[in-house]
Order: sequence, then C-alpha cells, then structure tokens
Amino acid sequence: TQLLEQSPQFLSIQEGENLTVYCNSSSVFSSLQWYRQEPGEGPVLLVTVVTGGEVKKLKRLTFQFGDARKDSSLHITAAQPGDTGLYLCAGVRGTYKYIFGTGTRLKVLA
Amino acid sequence: GAGVSQSPRYKVTKRGQDVALRCDPISGHVSLYWYRQALGQGPEFLTYFNYEAQQDKSGLPNDRFSAERPEGSISTLTIQRTEQRDSAMYRCASSYTTSGGYEQFFGPGTRLTVL
Repeated sequence: TQLLEQSPQFLSIQEGENLTVYCNSSSVFSSLQWYRQEPGEGPVLLVTVVTGGEVKKLKRLTFQFGDARKDSSLHITAAQPGDTGLYLCAGVRGTYKYIFGTGTRLKVLA
Repeated sequence: GAGVSQSPRYKVTKRGQDVALRCDPISGHVSLYWYRQALGQGPEFLTYFNYEAQQDKSGLPNDRFSAERPEGSISTLTIQRTEQRDSAMYRCASSYTTSGGYEQFFGPGTRLTVL
C-alpha cells in the first residue's frame, strides 16, 4: 500500500526549465529521503531530510521537508538531460520502515 | 567495493512452480530489506531483517511468500506455488545500520515472470 503520493506522475520538459515534484502524505515521518532511479538499476539516494522545515541543496536540486514532516518537495533549477529518471520519495517510519512514493518520471529534452 | 548483488537477474517460471531469489548484501551491512517494484512505481516493502532476525514481514502478500537470512548475510526470498500475479521486479537493499534514515543500497533486482 502506497502511503506517499507524488505529483506529477509524468513530466516532460525542455532543457533549462525549472520544475517541482511534490510528495504528500497524511502520515508523519521521522525523516524523508529522495532517490533517483535510472532504467535497469536500483534507486540511488539523493538526500535525507530530518527536521520539519529543513531545506537542503544539492547543486541544482533543492529539497524541502514540510513543517509537519508529512510532505516534501524537490525543485530542480535549469534541468538538464542528465536529470532524466524516476524520482522517488521515501518516508521513514519508526526505526527501519521505508514507505516509498508513487514515483515521478522526468524526461528532460535537449 | 562490491555492491548488493542479486541472482538470478531474470527468472521465467511456470505457474505452480516454486522459486528462490537470492540477495547478497554489502559486507557488514546489518539491515536487509526485500521490496517488490512495479514498472514506473516506487518499491513496495515486503520484509526486513536485522542481522538474522526477521523483524518485520508485514509486507509479504500471503503465506506463499517467505524469506530467511540464516547467518545474517545472504538472504533468500522464496515464493511457493507461483501465480501470474507474482510477476514483478524483486529488489533487495541493505544498510549498514539498524537506524532508519540512513542510506539503503539497492541491488539490480530479479525480474520474475510467471507464465
């Protein structure tokens, strides 16, 4: 059962555009992670956010954890074709359980 | 260093057969997870091991699914009497700690097809 809804589900944009992906839940998580997955491979961790309201930046990617620790967003500035992939959020419940989101498939056109 | 490995990478079986999927985690990683992933969607939790102890099997769909990690290293996910609805990508992941929020390292997955 997916408890984390991501939007949009699909996104196709031109190189240089900005975009935001949302991850929403009615549940509180102890922390939240974002992963990127490329075809034929497993998800790879991008970032972990722990504190409500926390903002982390990773080059052109900005991640924010909601104040109530129920939602998160990923913003990409000046997208590049190398950003293409499946983006997944994952909420951490308790000490070990990861609940993954429904996924956002991003395609950046050159 | 070596990452998480899974075997076989692809498995085609006939309905009713049993299958065993193997996961070899990163050496020293104490936590091991099994997930099932549909195409284009996030992994769905199946079960979690803390060393050799199966701490949570709440995500296993039914009693045809079982998993073990007898020596706290390699793990096997077994599906008995396979059904077509069991067709999916099965992934395992390992983490060096038992505390949540740390990085999980995922294997390449086993693509199971039940005919």
